[in-house]
Amino acid sequence: SQQGEEDPQALSIQEGENATMNCSYKTSINNLQWYRQNSGRGLVHLILIRSNEREKHSGRLRVTLDTSKKSSSLLITASRAADTASYFCATEVSGGYNKLIFGAGTRLAVHP
Amino acid sequence: ETGVTQSPTHLIKTRGQQVTLRCSSQSGHNTVSWYQQALGQGPQFIFQYYREEENGRGNFPPRFSGLQFPNYSSELNVNALELDDSALYLCASSPPGTSPRDNEQFFGPGTRLTVL
Repeated sequence: SQQGEEDPQALSIQEGENATMNCSYKTSINNLQWYRQNSGRGLVHLILIRSNEREKHSGRLRVTLDTSKKSSSLLITASRAADTASYFCATEVSGGYNKLIFGAGTRLAVHP
Repeated sequence: ETGVTQSPTHLIKTRGQQVTLRCSSQSGHNTVSWYQQALGQGPQFIFQYYREEENGRGNFPPRFSGLQFPNYSSELNVNALELDDSALYLCASSPPGTSPRDNEQFFGPGTRLTVL
């Protein structure tokens, strides 16, 4: 079963705009991670936020985590065509021996 | 440092056959996890190996089995292939627990398996 649910399923924006993707999950977590996948190939790790953190930044990425609502958001600022990809949130559940549970992903298309 | 590598890149099998997929972990990583990703879905955890022992398993039948070798590379074996086994199989490695990035998993490019 998939713990994470991303919203929206698909997002289409113009270059320079911001893209926001949301993720909800069901159980207690150690951390939440965001990954990018291009064209059905390997996953690239973007950012990890631990359960005791509320916000994290990495370059043009900003991730927030609200454990009371069991939700997270990924903001990509000033998007570029190269950001076109699928984005997945993954949760490492408490006591879950480093197992990740992925959502179904958000497909982002950035148009020049 | 060398990243996670997987072989083969693509594979076509027929129903009922057996397949072995291979993964070389990133240098210094002693934990390997395998995931199955069906088309249009997120990856699903199959199992994890740590120090050559299975260290957790997802909701997959026993015909999915694995090995980890002393050099921490790993194999995923699937017996009696079914059409629904067609998917991208991803391997991920992670470093020992003392690393500050010990929760991050590093993924390989995947093996795309097609079962006809």
